[in-house]
Amino acid sequence: EAGVAQSPRYKIIEKRQSVAFWCNPISGHATLYWYQQILGQGPKLLIQFQNNGVVDDSQLPKDRFSAERLKGVDSTLKIQPAKLEDSAVYLCASSLDGGVHTEAFFGQGTRLTVV
Amino acid sequence: QKEVEQDPGPLSVPEGAIVSLNCTYSNSAFQYFMWYRQYSRKGPELLMYTYSSGNKEDGRFTAQVDKSSKYISLFIRDSQPSDSATYLCAMKTSYDKVIFGPGTSLSVIP
Repeated sequence: EAGVAQSPRYKIIEKRQSVAFWCNPISGHATLYWYQQILGQGPKLLIQFQNNGVVDDSQLPKDRFSAERLKGVDSTLKIQPAKLEDSAVYLCASSLDGGVHTEAFFGQGTRLTVV
Repeated sequence: QKEVEQDPGPLSVPEGAIVSLNCTYSNSAFQYFMWYRQYSRKGPELLMYTYSSGNKEDGRFTAQVDKSSKYISLFIRDSQPSDSATYLCAMKTSYDKVIFGPGTSLSVIP
């Protein structure tokens, strides 16, 4: 079974530039998550989708971050404009249905460096 | 006070040692408790999941939950160099998002 695919693996941009990350979840998984993991910290949920609807985006900095999952499958996360403090690993995860007993599977992440 | 706290380490042990990793939490509404392992430059992977107080064993791993003390632990017996990774505790209520601890870095020396 193929895992969660993310691209690119690494990205270096200057502050105030824009960047986009792509995620393809495990086939058949209805729930998709984007997490931000700053060095030395645990992952923090940015946004959770159930199919193509948003379940939780309470920790998404909406003035600069946006995410979409238009067809309920793959998803993109965008940052515009980037700040130095956005340097982090952006992890995508998916689960079958987002239930409390349902395991979430993580991709390898995109490591973003803002200079 | 952070919701979930974890000793960041790094923790270095010889191969074969018993490892104890610990987390404390402040939210008494947390009901579901997880341990994830994260290798360098990889995403986290679920190791253990429990929702009751007491012990749960899976091979060399034992997860322990003490809800009265708001304290969870992961024990690794007969530790191997392949166990070298960052271990993240995580927990959630029945209605809210998963909250991760900051992780403990473990090195098992051959």
